[in-house]
Amino acid sequence: DAKTTQPNSMESNEEEPVHLPCNHSTISGTDYIHWYRQLPSQGPEYVIHGLTSNVNNRMASLAIAEDRKSSTLILHRATLRDAAVYYCILRDVGRTSYDKVIFGPGTSLSVIP
Amino acid sequence: KAGVTQTPRYLIKTRGQQVTLSCSPISGHRSVSWYQQTPGQGLQFLFEYFSETQRNKGNFPGRFSGRQFSNSRSEMNVSTLELGDSALYLCASSTGHPYDEQFFGPGTRLTVL
Repeated sequence: DAKTTQPNSMESNEEEPVHLPCNHSTISGTDYIHWYRQLPSQGPEYVIHGLTSNVNNRMASLAIAEDRKSSTLILHRATLRDAAVYYCILRDVGRTSYDKVIFGPGTSLSVIP
Repeated sequence: KAGVTQTPRYLIKTRGQQVTLSCSPISGHRSVSWYQQTPGQGLQFLFEYFSETQRNKGNFPGRFSGRQFSNSRSEMNVSTLELGDSALYLCASSTGHPYDEQFFGPGTRLTVL
């Protein structure tokens, strides 16, 4: 399974934009890039996903490098509620073994009021 | 629509006992995945069931097993409990397509004494 690497932790000031990086240098052509986050004492929740093009939704934006070996999750205005562990995950649509989702250690985001 | 529900939410067992955890997926979802989360190992994939068949399995001993019923509800069983099995057990449901998001339940907190 292709692996991802993320910084262990990051800090942001409230109402400032946050850029959370993820490296996936061994990504294959059929890997989707997914981001999840886990708020304290809760199960993970889906944030966003993409394949090649940049993506936007109500929660965040996903910027994918042209070679797809890295991506960045962008929170446009961090709030205290965004303090969580953020996971960058690759999911291969081209294999028969669907849904074997491998979570790395993720990035723990702290938001400073 | 109703989210993913897991029962029980908390459980205390002693070493050597067995335990069964239950997960009810979102209506219409055919895939249920199970994860173990511990402070030391993070989120680890246990297995995934799709239409009553185990489609994927993580690297856990045979003491960990599961099944899925025709209504997509799933159970996981851990036999001969060990202290190291103390963890938060999360289940997630999805349509089963790798590009679709997984919806996580709140988890079952298992403590083995």
